[in-house]
Amino acid sequence: RKEVEQDPGPFNVPEGATVAFNCTYSNSASQSFFWYRQDCRKEPKLLMSVYSSGNEDGRFTAQLNRASQYISLLIRDSKLSDSATYLCVVKRGNKLVFGAGTILRVKS
Amino acid sequence: DAGVIQSPRHEVTEMGQEVTLRCKPISGHDYLFWYRQTMMRGLELLIYFNNNVPIDDSGMPEDRFSAKMPNASFSTLKIQPSEPRDSAVYFCASSRPRGRALSTNEKLFFGSGTQLSVL
Repeated sequence: RKEVEQDPGPFNVPEGATVAFNCTYSNSASQSFFWYRQDCRKEPKLLMSVYSSGNEDGRFTAQLNRASQYISLLIRDSKLSDSATYLCVVKRGNKLVFGAGTILRVKS
Repeated sequence: DAGVIQSPRHEVTEMGQEVTLRCKPISGHDYLFWYRQTMMRGLELLIYFNNNVPIDDSGMPEDRFSAKMPNASFSTLKIQPSEPRDSAVYFCASSRPRGRALSTNEKLFFGSGTQLSVL
């Protein structure tokens, strides 16, 4: 079993739709949580951190449930430019462990 | 500021050849990570350094892989001999400006990666 599991998708949604991605992690010692975004043939870039109380950054909302070891990302009002792979990431010690990613395709 | 710089961008080689990938981290960052990305396995951490010292190399697949960081501004990942299953994108990443609290370690700045094809 992988340490960080994600639905690979792809999620195909129309512009303006709301879409949610989920992620589960297996190591309860994980300390911090993040979503990274990776465009096709590009490097991953930090999208946002995920806090226990939940946090929002514009159209993006992240949630963490430590008891269930579950992380989510909600994107509202999807834009064409949101098309990318979204990587769920957990920090354990000084190591960031990446999920395999969920592909999002936003279509006009 | 320049980001993490990797070279070469693309490398095509034949099985059995030695391959050397290079990385220049962001100036002032004291953590450096080497990752490998494939469709099948996603992003895997190979090794990371702190202050030029290898801390954890448990992700290095086998003895054919080695990594060095001779100074704060340069690291190499070497594969000798290379095999077709080593074909992947290899990313270098750096983090944590010196003097900041440990909690700022999380944000990784990735280089553009090296696309390695071993024929």
